[in-house]
Amino acid sequence: NAGVTQTPKFRVLKTGQSMTLLCAQDMNHEYMYWYRQDPGMGLRLIHYSVGEGTTAKGEVPDGYNVSRLKKQNFLLGLESAAPSQTSVYFCASTQQETQYFGPGTRLLVL
Amino acid sequence: AQSVSQHNHHVILSEAASLELGCNYSYGGTVNLFWYVQYPGQHLQLLLKYFSGDPLVKGIKGFEAEFIKSKFSFNLRKPSVQWSDTAEYFCAVNIRGSYIPTFGRGTSLIVHP
Repeated sequence: NAGVTQTPKFRVLKTGQSMTLLCAQDMNHEYMYWYRQDPGMGLRLIHYSVGEGTTAKGEVPDGYNVSRLKKQNFLLGLESAAPSQTSVYFCASTQQETQYFGPGTRLLVL
Repeated sequence: AQSVSQHNHHVILSEAASLELGCNYSYGGTVNLFWYVQYPGQHLQLLLKYFSGDPLVKGIKGFEAEFIKSKFSFNLRKPSVQWSDTAEYFCAVNIRGSYIPTFGRGTSLIVHP
């Protein structure tokens, strides 16, 4: 039982490049989330999903897109990366309203 | 929308000192309350949670938190901290049944050996 996993762990992008962050969970959770963590800002919700095929915007969705084609996977896309998207990205899933987090992806946009 | 305030952004303590981290939230309805901890280089993990019942909840590693409904607070406490408690601590609140938590900005705790 791996819990929540994230790929990649670290990435460097140039402004304007695109990339996809993958989150996978093997706990059969319905709810999944993408957060970004910035110093002094805590965790801010980007997008979330309440089940396969459904997604919704969180607090800071601009510049990001998501997809939940399979229950166990939740993908976060950056179509045209900007330096403001330099951050640590955490995926989470929920059981009984408790969040289980992945190890994070550190993204640097130059 | 609810908000969560953590008033202590940085706390520095010596080992064996007592700890209390404040957390206040703004929503007036029924909520679930959480404290998560992030040790250096690791992901967030649940420290403790309150859904209902006894307002004094105990979590892992000797931590406890008290829910005071009249004060909209859920403060985290530990009577004697250890160097290994050095971490960032996040308070989170969600409206019961919403599954969408709001996190505080976090408190960075450094414990000197």
